[in-house]
Amino acid sequence: KAGVTQTPRYLIKTRGQQVTLSCSPISGHRSVSWYQQTPGQGLQFLFEYFSETQRNKGNFPGRFSGRQFSNSRSEMNVSTLELGDSALYLCASSFLPGQENSPLHFGNGTRLTVT
Amino acid sequence: QKEVEQNSGPLSVPEGAIASLNCTYSDRGSQSFFWYRQYSGKSPELIMSIYSNGDKEDGRFTAQLNKASQYVSLLIRDSQPSDSATYLCAVSTSYGKLTFGQGTILTVHP
Repeated sequence: KAGVTQTPRYLIKTRGQQVTLSCSPISGHRSVSWYQQTPGQGLQFLFEYFSETQRNKGNFPGRFSGRQFSNSRSEMNVSTLELGDSALYLCASSFLPGQENSPLHFGNGTRLTVT
Repeated sequence: QKEVEQNSGPLSVPEGAIASLNCTYSDRGSQSFFWYRQYSGKSPELIMSIYSNGDKEDGRFTAQLNKASQYVSLLIRDSQPSDSATYLCAVSTSYGKLTFGQGTILTVHP
C-alpha cells in the first residue's frame, strides 16, 4: 500500500509570493491533516479535512488555507509568504482521525524556504 | 501550561539500558495517545498507540497510560544506537486533531 505522498519535496519562494502544497493520502483514508514543523515551535496543527470539510483549524493566520477534493487528496495554500513561514510542512492521513486504531500516518513533508 | 509536555532532554543512555520518556497532557477529555519517532531529516513514524489505562507492550517498547494523572510514558528496553531519534508524544484532544509535545531527543551511545 502506498504511503502518504507530498509534492513537491522542496520549495524556495520569496517573501510576498504564494505557494500551494499537495498531499495524496493513503488509499482508503478520508482524513487529511496538515502540520507545520519548525525547530522552535515543534509540530503545530494547521487544519484537518474529512470528506471535503474542514473540521478543525489551528491557530494560524488566514494566509494559511486548505481544501480537500472528492478523492481525498488535499492542498494547502499559503499566501503573502513571510520569512517565518519557512518550515517543514507535513501532511498526515488517517481512516478515522483521533479514533482508536486509527493513527496518523505522515508523508515525507515539503520543505519550504522563504527568502 | 502547554497542552502536551514532554520531559526535557536531551536524554542519553548507554546501549542496552532502559530509556524512559515521559509526557503529561492537560485535557482530561483526551482519549487517544501516541508515540512517534522522528529521525533527523525524516517525517514522524508511529511506534506505539495506547487508549486504555495500564501498560501496552510491543517488542522492546512499552507504553504506559495513567488518565487520572494525565500521564503517558514510553519505555525502550535494551536500547540500541538505532533508537537514537526524537520521540514525540501526541494526544488526541478533539476529533480530528492531534496535539504534539515538543519532543525528547534520545541518544543511545555504544
